Amino acid sequence: GAVVSQHPSRVICKSGTSVKIECRSLDFQATTMFWYRQFPKQSLMLMATSNEGSKATYEQGVEKDKFLINHASLTLSTLTVTSAHPEDSSFYICSARLAGVFYEQYFGPGTRLTVT
Amino acid sequence: AQKVTQAQTEISVVEKEDVTLDCVYETRDTTYYLFWYKQPPSGELVFLIRRNSFDEQNEISGRYSWNFQKSTSSFNFTITASQVVDSAVYFCALSETGANSKLTFGKGITLSVRP
Repeated sequence: GAVVSQHPSRVICKSGTSVKIECRSLDFQATTMFWYRQFPKQSLMLMATSNEGSKATYEQGVEKDKFLINHASLTLSTLTVTSAHPEDSSFYICSARLAGVFYEQYFGPGTRLTVT
Repeated sequence: AQKVTQAQTEISVVEKEDVTLDCVYETRDTTYYLFWYKQPPSGELVFLIRRNSFDEQNEISGRYSWNFQKSTSSFNFTITASQVVDSAVYFCALSETGANSKLTFGKGITLSVRP
């Protein structure tokens, strides 16, 4: 149980285009989802917290107009990287949390974004 | 604010050696959770263990063992008789409790196990 999927697993896009990454909780309802970014040989950095039906809360330094997050249902959150640039190339990981279980996050397999 | 320090950045051992990965944490909360995750080259995080702040018992799972000591704010991870498949990046993480809780990761330790 508690499986989280991400799609796509890898994406290559051209500079200036936008790309959408989906995060789905497959067998549970996730009231809260998290988006992390991981640069090569670095740790996971939280970008934003997404609550179903409300606006995402972004961490300091993360541009909310560049990284659009939508959490329209209890099983789906999307991250759209708008006007992507090579410096946005990174590994993006989402996680999902069960309602009321605040200490546990279930992680997706990650999406590797390359902007050329 | 909470913080997790993994002072070791890279460790290289020969197969069958034991290796300990250190983790030191800081938090003002009395109730918190500590985690270890493994990240193999594929990138997917693999959950290894969760420990709450009220449970200081050490835990053993096969070749893996964890030593939680609140007195030194440490949560160390030992792999006994390491294997090549243990090669990965290992992250220690800390979570507070409550609806606004977040997971804070250490910088990770790259473990290389040579045959």
